[in-house]
Amino acid sequence: GENVEQHPSTLSVQEGDSAVIKCTYSDSASNYFPWYKQELGKRPQLIIDIRSNVGEKKDQRIAVTLNKTAKHFSLHITETQPEDSAVYFCAASPFQKLVFGTGTRLLVSP
Amino acid sequence: KAGVTQTPRYLIKTRGQQVTLSCSPISGHRSVSWYQQTPGQGLQFLFEYFSETQRNKGNFPGRFSGRQFSNSRSEMNVSTLELGDSALYLCASSSPEGRVRSPLHFGNGTRLTVT
Repeated sequence: GENVEQHPSTLSVQEGDSAVIKCTYSDSASNYFPWYKQELGKRPQLIIDIRSNVGEKKDQRIAVTLNKTAKHFSLHITETQPEDSAVYFCAASPFQKLVFGTGTRLLVSP
Repeated sequence: KAGVTQTPRYLIKTRGQQVTLSCSPISGHRSVSWYQQTPGQGLQFLFEYFSETQRNKGNFPGRFSGRQFSNSRSEMNVSTLELGDSALYLCASSSPEGRVRSPLHFGNGTRLTVT
């Protein structure tokens, strides 16, 4: 079955810096790659997603890149702000099943 | 549109008991998935229901079961509770688009504590 690895597990940056979180997946049938943000005590919320027919997608300060050949995808956050502090989860989906990475705790210091 | 609603928000049970959690998806969403979230294991997939049928199942023991009703509402049951079942149980609904996954919308979860 699908296996998703996510790195780093913890990431500390200064406000205004960029943050990059990387994930690898194992199942070449995976065709959908979402990223979720979970603030403390709250539900995970989708922040951006990408499908396998696209290499890059941007939404304001957030971007995701996908390399199907290498089976990895990354989340890029530019100009980080304290409110970006949260746990971020990547996921990969072979058809209708969604498998999550173990999460990255991002801490943005003012 | 109302979001995904999970009840109850908190539950405290003792070992050996059973528990039933409920999830009402977003109106129009026919797929409901359940996840177990623990600090060490992240989000672990339990199962997914679509049109009252279990379509996918994760690697959990048979003590974990679920069902979906004709109105897409779903319930999850855990029997013979163990201490290790203490976790946040998240339900998510989606509107599948053929063979490609569609975004999951999560509920606030039910926090289960087993003593």
